[in-house]
Amino acid sequence: AQSVSQHNHHVILSEAASLELGCNYSYGGTVNLFWYVQYPGQHLQLLLKYFSGDPLVKGIKGFEAEFIKSKFSFNLRKPSVQWSDTAEYFCAVMIFSGGYNKLIFGAGTRLAVHP
Amino acid sequence: DGGITQSPKYLFRKEGQNVTLSCEQNLNHDAMYWYRQDPGQGLRLIYYSQIVNDFQKGDIAEGYSVSREKKESFPLTVTSAQKNPTAFYLCASSIPGAYGYTFGSGTRLTVV
Repeated sequence: AQSVSQHNHHVILSEAASLELGCNYSYGGTVNLFWYVQYPGQHLQLLLKYFSGDPLVKGIKGFEAEFIKSKFSFNLRKPSVQWSDTAEYFCAVMIFSGGYNKLIFGAGTRLAVHP
Repeated sequence: DGGITQSPKYLFRKEGQNVTLSCEQNLNHDAMYWYRQDPGQGLRLIYYSQIVNDFQKGDIAEGYSVSREKKESFPLTVTSAQKNPTAFYLCASSIPGAYGYTFGSGTRLTVV
C-alpha cells in the first residue's frame, strides 16, 4: 500500500537554527509531492510542490525541498527558522490510479521554535 | 472570494446519532475530498468524488457516507456505525489531475 513517512513527530528548535524535516514515500509510479503547513488555528496551506523538472523546489517563507527519486524522499529545509514557523508540517504524495488522483499524507511533524 | 466553507465549526453528537457535516465550494472544482485528522496520524482519506453523482471510498470509509448531488456540495454523514468519530474533519477540493488541494477550515466533531 502507498504510504508517506515523516521521520520526526516533534521538533524543537531555537530561532535562527536550521531545519530539515524528513519525508519518504512508498509508491513506484509517478508522483507529485507536496508540503503543507498548518499554523495554530488556521487552514492547511500549501508550502511548496514538486511535479517535474528541477528537483530542488522553493516555496513560500524561505522554505525549500529536494526530491531525491532514488531515495523516494522529499525533505523540507529552511536555513534559519523564526518563531512564526511554529506549526505542524505535513508531507503529501499525490498518486494517480484508475483515473483518480489521491493525496496521501504523512503523520505530520510539530515544530516548535523558541525565541 | 472563492473558497471552501465547512459548517459547523464545532459539532457535538450523542452516541448512536448520525450527524452530517457540510462542505460547500465556489471554486468550480470538479473533485472534492473528505479527510479525518487525528493527532499523530496526519490526514486520512475518507471519501472522494471526481464528478457529480460519483464517489469512491478512501482508506477509512467504514462508518461514513457521502453524496454528491451538486458540483459545489459534498456533505459527509458520520453514522452510528463509526466507532470512534471524535476527530477533526477536513474537506478539500481540486481540479482533477492537478495540482494540490484547497482545504476548508474544518469541523471538530466530539461525541458526548
